[in-house]
Amino acid sequence: GESVGLHLPTLSVQEGDNSIINCAYSNSASDYFIWYKQESGKGPQFIIDIRSNMDKRQGQRVTVLLNKTVKHLSLQIAATQPGDSAVYFCAENPAGFQKLVFGTGTRLLVSP
Amino acid sequence: EPEVTQTPSHQVTQMGQEVILRCVPISNHLYFYWYRQILGQKVEFLVSFYNNEISEKSEIFDDQFSVERPDGSNFTLKIRSTKLEDSAMYFCASSGEDMNTEAFFGQGTRLTVV
Repeated sequence: GESVGLHLPTLSVQEGDNSIINCAYSNSASDYFIWYKQESGKGPQFIIDIRSNMDKRQGQRVTVLLNKTVKHLSLQIAATQPGDSAVYFCAENPAGFQKLVFGTGTRLLVSP
Repeated sequence: EPEVTQTPSHQVTQMGQEVILRCVPISNHLYFYWYRQILGQKVEFLVSFYNNEISEKSEIFDDQFSVERPDGSNFTLKIRSTKLEDSAMYFCASSGEDMNTEAFFGQGTRLTVV
């Protein structure tokens, strides 16, 4: 089947800490993955993506790691800021399908 | 910065009534989508649309749902006879070349069926 799940429903960190949000996916045929940030009352906002032919991709303050062997995806946020507080979703695109399958989300709480 | 816009932001409707949710995707995008998010739950795929036809739909997208691109800019989701369980946030999204490029989401329409 196809399902994407998250290990931690809530993550609380201090401002300035590094945050790691994890995601497990079950469809080994998925070839494209995205992390979205969703603030209250808003739509998902694209953060970073990675294709299955890569293990790591870096953006500004964010890094996505993909481990295809164990079907695991993580989002690392460096120097977490209060503005990073939101729900983070991983999403996968099963190869050959025109859709994204979203995980259940992790709430990131950043304390000043 | 180009963005996906959705109207209305909030729609309240009586059970059994028809609703139309409207979206203006990013202008040069080719793929359009509707997703929904029931309060506190994950985002669920409804339908994808390309070249003026549905390319994929989920089990949720039954005969009560339809999509249309009536002109070169709008993309609509119609629910023919709303049910209480249709209450959710509905998100429109668009992507450029295919699904393997980033999909941009609108701010959503909150549909409340009473």
